Amino acid sequence: EAQVTQNPRYLITVTGKKLTVTCSQNMNHEYMSWYRQDPGLGLRQIYYSMNVEVTDKGDVPEGYKVSRKEKRNFPLILESPSPNQTSLYFCASTPFRGNTEAFFGQGTRLTVV
Amino acid sequence: GENVEQHPSTLSVQEGDSAVIKCTYSDSASNYFPWYKQELGKRPQLIIDIRSNVGEKKDQRIAVTLNKTAKHFSLHITETQPEDSAVYFCAASKGWNQGGKLIFGQGTELSVKP
Repeated sequence: EAQVTQNPRYLITVTGKKLTVTCSQNMNHEYMSWYRQDPGLGLRQIYYSMNVEVTDKGDVPEGYKVSRKEKRNFPLILESPSPNQTSLYFCASTPFRGNTEAFFGQGTRLTVV
Repeated sequence: GENVEQHPSTLSVQEGDSAVIKCTYSDSASNYFPWYKQELGKRPQLIIDIRSNVGEKKDQRIAVTLNKTAKHFSLHITETQPEDSAVYFCAASKGWNQGGKLIFGQGTELSVKP
């Protein structure tokens, strides 16, 4: 089954404790991205990657890091989480052949206390 | 910067009525306009999209219209059903030569009352 898988689904952590949210896709898509969803703000792009070892900042990259060592995986790293990073996070992947559908993961609900 | 404004933020209709959600984009270079539906606790999923060389697209009860001159696009749902209740997001993109980024609207919470 074609899918984008994120883990964990839910995470409660304390300020400053490094964490990683994993994202994996099995569709051989070149383009992957991370979004955060906050009430009244829609989905905002954090980082994106157009292929292995190629990443770039989105609209709200502060406090986040990403890596793309393999085509299928695109982890999101919070080196020192803060309460303003409490949000719902989505990973998405898209084939690199023109404007087409973005496939989203199930989402990760992160709470930083 | 690039921006997509979406209205209304909430919309309540009776089952069987039509629902219209409107979006305005700021960047005239945008050429791809998808609509996503997000049910409660679920991931966003594409329901329909339109490209800038097309003015209207229809798929059963849903349709999207695009006015490039006014930089407006709209989602129309006819004969609404309770299962249409969800949050709907519009988005705009300039294509891969501009990074392929989707700029999302703020979302519309649609409630269809039986």
